[in-house]
Amino acid sequence: QSVLTQPPSASGTPGQRVTISCSGSSSNIGSYTVNWYQQLPGTAPKLLIYSNDHRPSGVPDRFSGSQSGTSASLAISGLQSEDEADYYCSAWDDSLDGPVFGGGTKLTVL
Amino acid sequence: QVQLQESGPGLVEPSQTLSLTCTVSGGSISSYNYYWSWIRQHPGKGLEWIAYIYYSGATNYNPSLKSRVAISVDTSKSQFSLKLSSVTAADTAVYYCARLFGDRSCKFDPWGQGTLVTVSS
Repeated sequence: QSVLTQPPSASGTPGQRVTISCSGSSSNIGSYTVNWYQQLPGTAPKLLIYSNDHRPSGVPDRFSGSQSGTSASLAISGLQSEDEADYYCSAWDDSLDGPVFGGGTKLTVL
Repeated sequence: QVQLQESGPGLVEPSQTLSLTCTVSGGSISSYNYYWSWIRQHPGKGLEWIAYIYYSGATNYNPSLKSRVAISVDTSKSQFSLKLSSVTAADTAVYYCARLFGDRSCKFDPWGQGTLVTVSS
C-alpha cells in the first residue's frame, strides 16, 4: 500500500489528452511539492516534472503538472505511442521523514 | 553531465548481506545540496526509497529498512555504497542509485540504469 495513491492504469488514443491523478495527505502533498517520473519499459525512471509544474530541459511541453491541496495531476496532451510507460508521483512525507512514491500508473496508448 | 552506475553481485544468498556500489562520474560527489540515494523496485512493482547520504556523511534511512541498512560515501573514489543485511527473498529487486536535489526533496535526477539483485540459495 503506497502512501501516495495513483490509479493503476490509464489509456488514451494518439492525439488525445490524458490525466493521471496522485492523492496524498497533509503530511506530504499538502505540505511539499510533487515530482513525476516516467519509466519506459525496461529502463530506469526519468524525472519528468519537478516542483509541481516544472519541466526539466528536454521534456516536451506536452507534459504538464499541477497541484492543489493534497492532490496532484500529470497531464499529457497530444498523446503519442512513445508515451506508453509507467508514471510515478513522489513527494516528501513528514510521517516517514523521507521521500514517498505513488504506486504507479501504467499508461497504454491504444 | 552527471552519470551514475551501480555495481555489485546479482545473486545473494538468504541471510547474507547485499552490497552495492554506485560510481558517480561527470560531476562532483561533494557538490553542495546534492544527496546520493538508493531506491529499489520489486519485480513488477513500484518504487521504494531506501536511504540517502550527503558527502559529509549525514544520512537518512527509510524506517522500514533502517535496522538492516547502512549507506556510506567515499569521496576520494566518487562512490557511495549500500549494505543490506539479513536479506530474504523479499529483498529481490532492481536497485537504483540516484542523485537527490536538496534535503526534504524528492527530485531524483539522474538515475543509474539499475541492477537486479536476486536473493536465492
